Amino acid sequence: GQNIDQPTEMTATEGAIVQINCTYQTSGFNGLFWYQQHAGEAPTFLSYNVLDGLEEKGRFSSFLSRSKGYSYLLLKELQMKDSASYLCAVRSAGGFKTIFGAGTRLFVKA
Amino acid sequence: SAVISQKPSRDICQRGTSLTIQCQVDSQVTMMFWYRQQPGQSLTLIATANQGSEATYESGFVIDKFPISRPNLTFSTLTVSNMSPEDSSIYLCSVGTGTTNEQYFGPGTRLTVT
Repeated sequence: GQNIDQPTEMTATEGAIVQINCTYQTSGFNGLFWYQQHAGEAPTFLSYNVLDGLEEKGRFSSFLSRSKGYSYLLLKELQMKDSASYLCAVRSAGGFKTIFGAGTRLFVKA
Repeated sequence: SAVISQKPSRDICQRGTSLTIQCQVDSQVTMMFWYRQQPGQSLTLIATANQGSEATYESGFVIDKFPISRPNLTFSTLTVSNMSPEDSSIYLCSVGTGTTNEQYFGPGTRLTVT
């Protein structure tokens, strides 16, 4: 079976750092995605990790540990516009099918 | 990145009717997918649209209900057939190039069935 878990909601303060965790159990693994989705809009690609370690891209970083089935998205210097849902998604092995977690709604307060 | 457009952007349909959603990409892509996102939920994969052959459907989705066409590497359609209110959702087209590991989404089609 396939299971992707992430917290339902998180709240953080403008200017702070927040870490959104994702754990997964899938029948195969060919990479993990993070997407940002604002209400009423399509998901926007943030990152893709296929090897263990940290990938940094501006204010956003993504970490992967394949042995632990674990990833996190780190958002630094939070801005109000970062209030959105963040979706963790896993691509299955041997193909390009991507399965999504339920998403984490992040609220950034002043 | 690929630029993806979908038509229509939204529609209100009566139960029992069918709606065809179009997805157009500005470049040739290897993989095209159709997802559904019901209100307040995450994305559920409906099927992978294969160029030149039948689509590959996920568990819970069947060709009679969601027929898909993919006549070339830049275009696909998804039809929602014999609609019921439970089909009210956002339908999203997604593409992957195969040469990079990125996957992009179209703007979505917001469908309401009354």
